[in-house]
Amino acid sequence: DAGVTQSPTHLIKTRGQQVTLRCSPKSGHDTVSWYQQALGQGPQFIFQYYEEEERQRGNFPDRFSGHQFPNYSSELNVNALLLGDSALYLCASSLNSGALNSPLHFGNGTRLTVT
Amino acid sequence: QKEVEQNSGPLSVPEGAIASLNCTYSDRGSQSFFWYRQYSGKSPELIMFIFSNGDKQDGRFTAQLNKASQYVSLLIRDSQPSDSATYLCAVNERGANSKLTFGKGITLSVRP
Repeated sequence: DAGVTQSPTHLIKTRGQQVTLRCSPKSGHDTVSWYQQALGQGPQFIFQYYEEEERQRGNFPDRFSGHQFPNYSSELNVNALLLGDSALYLCASSLNSGALNSPLHFGNGTRLTVT
Repeated sequence: QKEVEQNSGPLSVPEGAIASLNCTYSDRGSQSFFWYRQYSGKSPELIMFIFSNGDKQDGRFTAQLNKASQYVSLLIRDSQPSDSATYLCAVNERGANSKLTFGKGITLSVRP
């Protein structure tokens, strides 16, 4: 049973460039959330996708956008990269059952470095 | 702005001791509470969740929740060097599919 998979694992980009990160949820999960984790900090919620629509969004600028595909996989796009966007980007999947015991399962993350 | 505070740390305990990790949250409407363990360079791994006031035990781990005091804690009994990691407290206000608000984490070191 495959868990949450993310690609690539590491990425180096230059300021001003654009980046796309990819995520495949755990088998049976239909909801994908994206988090940004800066060094020494806890993960910060970016947004969540369900039924191919953005359902909730955290306090991130419009440079951060996403997409969910019919197979539940998801992409995170970041435009006009800033040095401060350097972080570990985590994808988490869950099942939209509404049950309290349906917690998030995290992928291994993509380490983005902006130079 | 909903906040989750984990202000104590880093924490160092000898092998075999009890490690106590604390977390407070600001949103009284919070319903579910999670503890994640994160090894250096790795992603968070769920170790405990709790929804009701009181204690919940799973092996060497016990989560404690006091909604009146807006306080949740994690006790690790018989601490092992392999427990050395950062422990993240996370709070969800409306159920498992809503966004999680994380604390910044507490780094635990278990000395052999």
